[in-house]
Amino acid sequence: DAMVIQNPRYQVTQFGKPVTLSCSQTLNHNVMYWYQQKSSQAPKLLFHYYDKDFNNEADTPDNFQSRRPNTSFCFLDIRSPGLGDAAMYLCATSRDHTGTAENTEAFFGQGTRLTVV
Amino acid sequence: AQSVSQHNHHVILSEAASLELGCNYSYGGTVNLFWYVQYPGQHLQLLLKYFSGDPLVKGIKGFEAEFIKSKFSFNLRKPSVQWSDTAEYFCAVNDRTGGFKTIFGAGTRLFVKA
Repeated sequence: DAMVIQNPRYQVTQFGKPVTLSCSQTLNHNVMYWYQQKSSQAPKLLFHYYDKDFNNEADTPDNFQSRRPNTSFCFLDIRSPGLGDAAMYLCATSRDHTGTAENTEAFFGQGTRLTVV
Repeated sequence: AQSVSQHNHHVILSEAASLELGCNYSYGGTVNLFWYVQYPGQHLQLLLKYFSGDPLVKGIKGFEAEFIKSKFSFNLRKPSVQWSDTAEYFCAVNDRTGGFKTIFGAGTRLFVKA
């Protein structure tokens, strides 16, 4: 059974047109993360939620926003996508964001591949 | 800034060959260490993890990794690879106290020839 579900798997958007990617989880984990992964590069953390607390990475562009209306759902909003934002976007969850490896182990969705035209 | 380095971007092996994938991280504090695997068309999934205790960690599918604190390394090994091990492998690290969230290496693509 899928535990972290991302929709859609593939998204094509126009340059400058706002786009939203969604993620849901059935694990009841406290933490949800959004990573950006470009070809042949490491997944790069954009931000995470610990419960309702939003934590932005220092180098995440303002163009990227996130919402977490409840424990199960988290959204990634790209306000004005540029060609450089084309990437795979990965959602992940973990029980906690500090502590043991068991608590911080990440469970990933299948990702959404974003194309900007 | 903290970083994770994986030395080999692409590895090609024949079945039954031994595998070792290198991973080094740059952080002097107390860390959790992970190896994730991504099979073609599938999501990232955990292969093994290290928190404390025995520095030789055994994971699924015959994989193991050894934490060498003095070398800031967490290399992944498997004595005899199979065609089904063809995948991309990512090393990852986080700060146990929360100083930084999980960061990943760039990944190693392994292709096993049947």
